[in-house]
Amino acid sequence: AQSVTQPDIHITVSEGASLELRCNYSYGATPYLFWYVQSPGQGLQLLLKYFSGDTLVQGIKGFEAEFKRSQSSFNLRKPSVHWSDAAEYFCAVGAENAGGTSYGKLTFGQGTILTVHP
Amino acid sequence: GAVVSQHPSRVICKSGTSVKIECRSLDFQATTMFWYRQFPKQSLMLMATSNEGSKATYEQGVEKDKFLINHASLTLSTLTVTSAHPEDSSFYICSAGDDYTVEAFFGQGTRLTVV
Repeated sequence: AQSVTQPDIHITVSEGASLELRCNYSYGATPYLFWYVQSPGQGLQLLLKYFSGDTLVQGIKGFEAEFKRSQSSFNLRKPSVHWSDAAEYFCAVGAENAGGTSYGKLTFGQGTILTVHP
Repeated sequence: GAVVSQHPSRVICKSGTSVKIECRSLDFQATTMFWYRQFPKQSLMLMATSNEGSKATYEQGVEKDKFLINHASLTLSTLTVTSAHPEDSSFYICSAGDDYTVEAFFGQGTRLTVV
């Protein structure tokens, strides 16, 4: 069974600083990887996803993530954090069914809460 | 992207009553829908997977008689929390996918409070 680990429960950065949120996954086949953001009391917003191809993925709001198969990692980065980025971030891996496609059955990491100081 | 609508967004019910949550795919046919639960300050945990026209598949530890899932059409799945208790208070969120896309799309979630 697949699993996802986000080692950092809580990260605090200053506005304008760079950000990297870590994500490690365990999965036997080619993973489908996602990063979501959740503001308090809200649903999930998809930041970016990786299915195949270029291992550096660009997402919305200036975020990017790099898939590194050798390290089983899919870390999320942003060069300059804005106060509005404060939220909880979830990394997720999608299951692959027998037909080789994912129908969106996701296993989520524990989440990383991002606090941004002015 | 595809739109998934979940209703209601918030619901408060009395202990012992049942609550129904709807998940609709507005612009595509959802052959598969997923129901997740998120307790406060925790991650999302998959409860069950439902395929149109067949019985839902529940994850280990999820009571199928308590959390009734119906996926009667390609655009609607419902989750009914039966005989709700305060410990069922949680954030419930659905996602929907079809046969052609690799990812599933999330609804806005439902905050259930049982008093």
